[in-house]
Amino acid sequence: DQQVKQNSPSLSVQEGRISILNCDYTNSMFDYFLWYKKYPAEGPTFLISISSIKDKNEDGRFTVFLNKSAKHLSLHIVPSQPGDSAVYFCAATKTWNSGNTPLVFGKGTRLSVIA
Amino acid sequence: DAGVTQSPTHLIKTRGQQVTLRCSPKSGHDTVSWYQQALGQGPQFIFQYYEEEERQRGNFPDRFSGHQFPNYSSELNVNALLLGDSALYLCASSAGLGQGYYEQYFGPGTRLTVT
Repeated sequence: DQQVKQNSPSLSVQEGRISILNCDYTNSMFDYFLWYKKYPAEGPTFLISISSIKDKNEDGRFTVFLNKSAKHLSLHIVPSQPGDSAVYFCAATKTWNSGNTPLVFGKGTRLSVIA
Repeated sequence: DAGVTQSPTHLIKTRGQQVTLRCSPKSGHDTVSWYQQALGQGPQFIFQYYEEEERQRGNFPDRFSGHQFPNYSSELNVNALLLGDSALYLCASSAGLGQGYYEQYFGPGTRLTVT
């Protein structure tokens, strides 16, 4: 039972264009969502996050959008650069005062930015 | 400032054997979480250690056990290895339970192959 789904295993985008990575979740208890980027032979690195009280969070070229009613979030990268080529994981958690539940990850989307 | 380090990088074991993986957290971090990432999957939470105790556990059998030392480093032990245990094992560290899982820093992982 996959609670976090990334239905596109791979995505190719031209350099300078927009990359849109999608993520769906099924557990309505999740209230905090994160994107991680992973290069080969390295561990995942945190990219950007969003709380369920917001519908958008922006950090430089990266913007995450959250649609709670659809249980859907997306990561936009504008403009895309060759160095953005990596596997992107969506993750979700339920928070409380003293912490949160373990992160639940999607299977990842491999982004290739073509120069 | 050293990040999260893991050893060994790669490991090959035979079915039925036992394995120990090691993790040193990022400087200043006292909480360690372990994840298993099978091929084509996202990381899956195994367990978390804080103050030398297992605090949360994912859906993994008792063959998976761990330990945290007074210097906050941690070990993951897997007994009676199965072919299905072949995966990348990731360690992540964070500063205190209250910081939550989203403040995690991941190590590069240990690639375990069971033959």
